[in-house]
Amino acid sequence: KNQVEQSPQSLIILEGKNCTLQCNYTVSPFSNLRWYKQDTGRGPVSLTIMTFSENTKSNGRYTATLDADTKQSSLHITASQLSDSASYICVVSRGSGGSYIPTFGRGTSLIVHP
Amino acid sequence: NAGVTQTPKFRILKIGQSMTLQCTQDMNHNYMYWYRQDPGMGLKLIYYSVGAGITDKGEVPNGYNVSRSTTEDFPLRLELAAPSQTSVYFCATKAGETGELFFGEGSRLTVL
Repeated sequence: KNQVEQSPQSLIILEGKNCTLQCNYTVSPFSNLRWYKQDTGRGPVSLTIMTFSENTKSNGRYTATLDADTKQSSLHITASQLSDSASYICVVSRGSGGSYIPTFGRGTSLIVHP
Repeated sequence: NAGVTQTPKFRILKIGQSMTLQCTQDMNHNYMYWYRQDPGMGLKLIYYSVGAGITDKGEVPNGYNVSRSTTEDFPLRLELAAPSQTSVYFCATKAGETGELFFGEGSRLTVL
């Protein structure tokens, strides 16, 4: 069964600290993995995309990694800011011949305290 | 470009009433999706469309209907609203080349 599991479910950190969010998937055939940020009351917005051949990709203070062998991805946030408080959703798309439907994780809720 | 536009943003319905959530996109994407998100939960797929005239059920389609007469519009119809349909509804499109999803701002529906 195609699934995406995220951990932790929620996380509270102090402003300025770093944190890492995890995503494990069983989606096959794999095409790409995206991390989305969803601010409270808003629609999700894409942060970064990881394809099969990519191991690491950065977008400002956000760094995503992908291990296609173990089917794991992580999102590392450096020097957190209050504006990082949001839900972070891992979404995996299937490759050629697969479904049109991306598979969503349930998200990690991050709260950054001053 | 407006991207994905949803209306209304907020709506309160009485049990048994019907309504349509509107979704319009100006990105010329073929794939469109309707999701619902309950408090503290992940997004659940209601219906999706791979192009004008083609729709299919997602994970939680009961109590909803959709149509896709044009590339731009993908309305979601709620018939006989029930309290279990209280949720935030998101419409999304998917870019064909990159696979990136573009979401609307959401429609918050309360059924009393």
